[in-house]
Amino acid sequence: AQSVTQLDSQVPVFEEAPVELRCNYSSSVSVYLFWYVQYPNQGLQLLLKYLSGSTLVKGINGFEAEFNKSQTSFHLRKPSVHISDTAEYFCAVKLTGRRALTFGSGTRLQVQP
Amino acid sequence: GAGVSQSPSNKVTEKGKDVELRCDPISGHTALYWYRQSLGQGLEFLIYFQGNSAPDKSGLPSDRFSAERTGGSVSTLTIQRTQQEDSAVYLCASSSVSNTEAFFGQGTRLTVV
Repeated sequence: AQSVTQLDSQVPVFEEAPVELRCNYSSSVSVYLFWYVQYPNQGLQLLLKYLSGSTLVKGINGFEAEFNKSQTSFHLRKPSVHISDTAEYFCAVKLTGRRALTFGSGTRLQVQP
Repeated sequence: GAGVSQSPSNKVTEKGKDVELRCDPISGHTALYWYRQSLGQGLEFLIYFQGNSAPDKSGLPSDRFSAERTGGSVSTLTIQRTQQEDSAVYLCASSSVSNTEAFFGQGTRLTVV
């Protein structure tokens, strides 16, 4: 079975500070990895994805994530956050050959002025 | 359409009533997914459609839940005899044949009173 753990339910940070949102997964087979963002009262929007190749993935809005196979992690980072980054962030995995995504419980990023 | 469309956006129903939630996927997307997002929790997979068939129904929580898809397009999620624990946001997503990214609708917020 696969599972996704987002270690922090909430991350408060000041504007222009760096941030890291942590994600670990458990799977004995190859996976695809995703980060989605959900702004208030909206659906999910894809930030970035890792399918194969370079382990450092760059996404939209200045976010990036690094796939670490040995640590089974896919942490999301941004060097300088803005107020507008305040949202819920979800990490998700998909087994190769399986259709559905398995999501973590989410991390609420709260950017303060 | 330009994106995944869900209706209604909000639904309040009395306990014991049946409800139908509709999803209109992105044109040409053959895969369609239903997820449930309960307060303070991550996204829970419900069912996956490929075309009009549902090869993975493993996430449906009880036999009160059912879904169908017609014409390889619109899908309806039906919840019979609603209970208060069914209150959640129901999200629909669709993806293309390559299936590496799912596009989400804005969800239907269901409140059972």
